[in-house]
Amino acid sequence: QKEVEQNSGPLSVPEGAIASLNCTYSDRVSQSFFWYRQYSGKSPELIMSIYSNGDKEDGRFTAQLNKASQYVSLLIRDSQPSDSATYLCAVNGFSGGYNKLIFGAGTRLAVHP
Amino acid sequence: ETGVTQSPTHLIKTRGQQVTLRCSSQSGHNTVSWYQQALGQGPQFIFQYYREEENGRGNFPPRFSGLQFPNYSSELNVNALELDDSALYLCASSSWTSGSADTQYFGPGTRLTVL
Repeated sequence: QKEVEQNSGPLSVPEGAIASLNCTYSDRVSQSFFWYRQYSGKSPELIMSIYSNGDKEDGRFTAQLNKASQYVSLLIRDSQPSDSATYLCAVNGFSGGYNKLIFGAGTRLAVHP
Repeated sequence: ETGVTQSPTHLIKTRGQQVTLRCSSQSGHNTVSWYQQALGQGPQFIFQYYREEENGRGNFPPRFSGLQFPNYSSELNVNALELDDSALYLCASSSWTSGSADTQYFGPGTRLTVL
């Protein structure tokens, strides 16, 4: 079982719709969760972090965390073509005094006009 | 822009050669982590440096080594390059406060091609 799993996609949504991206993780003791956006050929860009169960909103983005179900999601409202990218879910594997981010393989989002 | 810089942008090497990649962390950050991202995959943790010491390592062989300097910049060295080392190498900068340095900001990356 992979430590962080995401549907590879592509997830195709029309412009203006809500895009829903999902992620599950295996380590129950994980405390910090992140969503990164990565455009083709570029490096990951942090868009959201979440630490507590529930929802966290930032502009058009909402991150949702359910630790009991080991599930993290990202909602993108009013999707735009510029949101077309790969979205990486990352979990902080704090271990023995250092932090490492454990990434899923990413979900490719395509927003079409 | 995160303020994290990496050099070079692209690099082409042949199998068996050695390579050094460089990273300057964001102002105020004292921790540097290195990741390898193969095509179509998520980044994989190589190691992390704090106070010029390696304080954590992922599942990479010893031919992957690093350094951190007093100004918190860092180098990643890879010896005896293999074809599978072809990847995007990412440096991430963070600040170790309150016993955690979990929010990491990535530099633009170095694309390494091994022929």
